[in-house]
Amino acid sequence: QQQVKQSPQSLIVQKGGISIINCAYENTAFDYFPWYQQFPGKGPALLIAIRPDVSEKKEGRFTISFNKSAKQFSLHIMDSQPGDSATYFCAASGYGGATNKLIFGTGTLLAVQP
Amino acid sequence: DADVTQTPRNRITKTGKRIMLECSQTKGHDRMYWYRQDPGLGLRLIYYSFDVKDINKGEISDGYSVSRQAQAKFSLSLESAIPNQTALYFCATSESGGKSSYEQYFGPGTRLTVT
Repeated sequence: QQQVKQSPQSLIVQKGGISIINCAYENTAFDYFPWYQQFPGKGPALLIAIRPDVSEKKEGRFTISFNKSAKQFSLHIMDSQPGDSATYFCAASGYGGATNKLIFGTGTLLAVQP
Repeated sequence: DADVTQTPRNRITKTGKRIMLECSQTKGHDRMYWYRQDPGLGLRLIYYSFDVKDINKGEISDGYSVSRQAQAKFSLSLESAIPNQTALYFCATSESGGKSSYEQYFGPGTRLTVT
């Protein structure tokens, strides 16, 4: 059972454009929503994360938008650059941090064309 | 990535063979995790350990076993490898409490092929 659904599976964006990746979750007990970035041959690395007490978090060109009522969150990459080309995973965790188990989405392969 | 190391980085083995993947970390974290990554399926949790004496099954533990030899070492074993265990395997660590405990640090991965 996929508790975190991610779309699209792949995305091609022109340099300077906006990349948008969406995720939806089912479990209302989740209270931590990170995005991980993975380059080829590397392990995933935390990019940005949000908690449900805010609707948006911005770090540089990366923004998470969070809609608690819809149980959805999305990653926006502004002014996308070729160096942003990577696989992006959304995830969710919760239960008050007691377990810290991350439930990952299926990933989005982003290609930013120069 | 250098804080979490995995060996081997690549391995090809035959069906029925026993294989061990090793993970070491210098981050001083108590919690360690093993995931497998498959195309189109994302990362799925195999086992996790909150300390040397605490090991728990994850989402897909069948066919796998683990050993937490020390705080810094967490090994994943495939007792009798089968082709559908061909995947990319990642080890990860995290702190044991507080808000920082949510962030997981991943190793570089082991690409395992079972023929």
